[in-house]
Amino acid sequence: NAGVTQTPKFQVLKTGQSMTLQCAQDMNHEYMSWYRQDPGMGLRLIHYSVGAGITDQGEVPNGYNVSRSTTEDFPLRLLSAAPSQTSVYFCASSAGTHSYEQYFGPGTRLTVT
Amino acid sequence: SQKIEQNSEALNIQEGKTATLTCNYTNYSPAYLQWYRQDPGRGPVFLLLIRENEKEKRKERLKVTFDTTLKQSLFHITASQPADSATYLCAIPPEGGGADGLTFGKGTHLIIQP
Repeated sequence: NAGVTQTPKFQVLKTGQSMTLQCAQDMNHEYMSWYRQDPGMGLRLIHYSVGAGITDQGEVPNGYNVSRSTTEDFPLRLLSAAPSQTSVYFCASSAGTHSYEQYFGPGTRLTVT
Repeated sequence: SQKIEQNSEALNIQEGKTATLTCNYTNYSPAYLQWYRQDPGRGPVFLLLIRENEKEKRKERLKVTFDTTLKQSLFHITASQPADSATYLCAIPPEGGGADGLTFGKGTHLIIQP
């Protein structure tokens, strides 16, 4: 099993550009989440999904869109990047009921200039 | 929403001693609490989960306690080793439990001195 994979590992964007951070898992997990991690702020939940076709907002959803068309994939879209979105982004998955352990991907380091 | 407090100061412990990290929460009593380890440049890795009806959980050199009266969890590493140096995060689910997105503390940076 590859676990949770994220691409790209690094990305530099100019203000106003759009991009999609990719996340995939091969563990057949129902639950998937996106977090951002900033110095001094810890991990903050952006969006999450409890199954294909179902998504919801977390603590800091503004500026980000998600969709979940398959169990395996949970892409995060930045529609118009802003310097405030400079961060490290982590995707995580969990089997859910009776097993709440979250498996994290390696992260994407995004810089918006 | 839930607020989690972890000691933001780095914790320096001598090798072989027991390291004790604290996680305090302020609002609802969570159905469970988790601890993760994070190394620089990597994603968090799950260590232990303790449920609200459990007082203590052990895994090898790790021990977690959960006191719902004090709204606190303690994370202990016994016989600490330099390889235990990392940032340790505690995490709590939304009210009612479930796996739909955790609230994380900011983490405590643990340094084990040889």
